Amino acid sequence: DAGITQSPRYKITETGRQVTLMCHQTWSHSYMFWYRQDLGHGLRLIYYSAAADITDKGEVPDGYVVSRSKTENFPLTLESATRSQTSVYFCASIGIAGGLGEQYFGPGTRLTVT
Amino acid sequence: AQKVTQAQTEISVVEKEDVTLDCVYETRDTTYYLFWYKQPPSGELVFLIRRNSFDEQNEISGRYSWNFQKSTSSFNFTITASQVVDSAVYFCALSEGDTGTASKLTFGTGTRLQVTL
Repeated sequence: DAGITQSPRYKITETGRQVTLMCHQTWSHSYMFWYRQDLGHGLRLIYYSAAADITDKGEVPDGYVVSRSKTENFPLTLESATRSQTSVYFCASIGIAGGLGEQYFGPGTRLTVT
Repeated sequence: AQKVTQAQTEISVVEKEDVTLDCVYETRDTTYYLFWYKQPPSGELVFLIRRNSFDEQNEISGRYSWNFQKSTSSFNFTITASQVVDSAVYFCALSEGDTGTASKLTFGTGTRLQVTL
């Protein structure tokens, strides 16, 4: 089915390890986003991408790296995971055509850093 | 900088009661978009509504209604005759810019609504 998927859905990792969260969308949307959700903070933007090979920082980018070599994929890498990065991560995408103004969210990845 | 405030952290109501979720926003732009999302216990984010800054008409969709008032920078959400299935966390969000389609979302901290029998 078309849509936006995230993998893995659940991940437990140790402090200091590198971990990559995957995001894949089948709509060929230009824009993609990574948010993290924490109690008391709502969702906060980590990074976003306007197109392949174009990325920019959001509100809380420290400790994260992104890349976008293909339009449909937008992986998020924690280079050296810390306990403060324990969170639920949501990927989202939006097309610029049609003026929908609605971001489509993936199902989320629950990451625990021990 | 833009900001969204949802002052109500948790609300509990009995089924069939009406409930209003408050959202107050701050922005310097004259063109912006406001959104409401629902996050049920299953965790996914469900889009409910988008409203642009030039359209202050209230909107009703079934039991849901939204009241947008630029004068008070508020975009409140009312559920009429609440049901247990309405139990969820509700997020208000704001995006600035003249497209709205590609702008980044700033979320409020969410309001947890608990509807009991």
